[in-house]
Amino acid sequence: GNSVTQMEGPVTLSEEAFLTINCTYTATGYPSLFWYVQYPGEGLQLLLKATKADDKGSNKGFEATYRKETTSFHLEKGSVQVSDSAVYFCALSRGTALIFGKGTTLSVSS
Amino acid sequence: ETGVTQTPRHLVMGMTNKKSLKCEQHLGHNAMYWYKQSAKKPLELMFVYNFKEQTENNSVPSRFSPECPNSSHLFLHLHTLQPEDSALYLCASSQISGGTDTQYFGPGTRLTVL
Repeated sequence: GNSVTQMEGPVTLSEEAFLTINCTYTATGYPSLFWYVQYPGEGLQLLLKATKADDKGSNKGFEATYRKETTSFHLEKGSVQVSDSAVYFCALSRGTALIFGKGTTLSVSS
Repeated sequence: ETGVTQTPRHLVMGMTNKKSLKCEQHLGHNAMYWYKQSAKKPLELMFVYNFKEQTENNSVPSRFSPECPNSSHLFLHLHTLQPEDSALYLCASSQISGGTDTQYFGPGTRLTVL
């Protein structure tokens, strides 16, 4: 079946540190892959997406590359800020719906 | 209003109450979704509506009853809920176009069942 596995959190970093949040997936076919972010008290916002193998999604300094050979879509940012503190969700598309990972909490301190 | 709105933002109800959650999308989309977000669990898709027709029901108990009167509005009617139904209920919408359809989420309704 289709599933998404994310690294367990919380991830705690100092400002300007490098961020990696691992995401791997299991899917039939060729799904699109997404990263969503949820700030405290808010709903989910699309951060970036990639629709086919080797595509790189990017937004607000975050990047993720669709790796079909390793079935991965790891999220990276070169220099995190306190304002990046949030919960990050990896997801894949299944028809008209999304399958999400459990989410990874990121906490950035100044 | 822009995007996807949900009301109420917080709801506390007893197990014998009947209440409804409302979602409205201002994006001109043709599909709407209900998700349940519980602590320590992945988001769970509950229902999908495509052009007002329900196309997916992920084995959701009958105490949750969705209604989609038009492509802009989605309701979730609640009755005789259990404490384990306490969660954040998220509504989303998308434009189904045959490609990759990005979903846009509302802020959610935080439900507590006593």
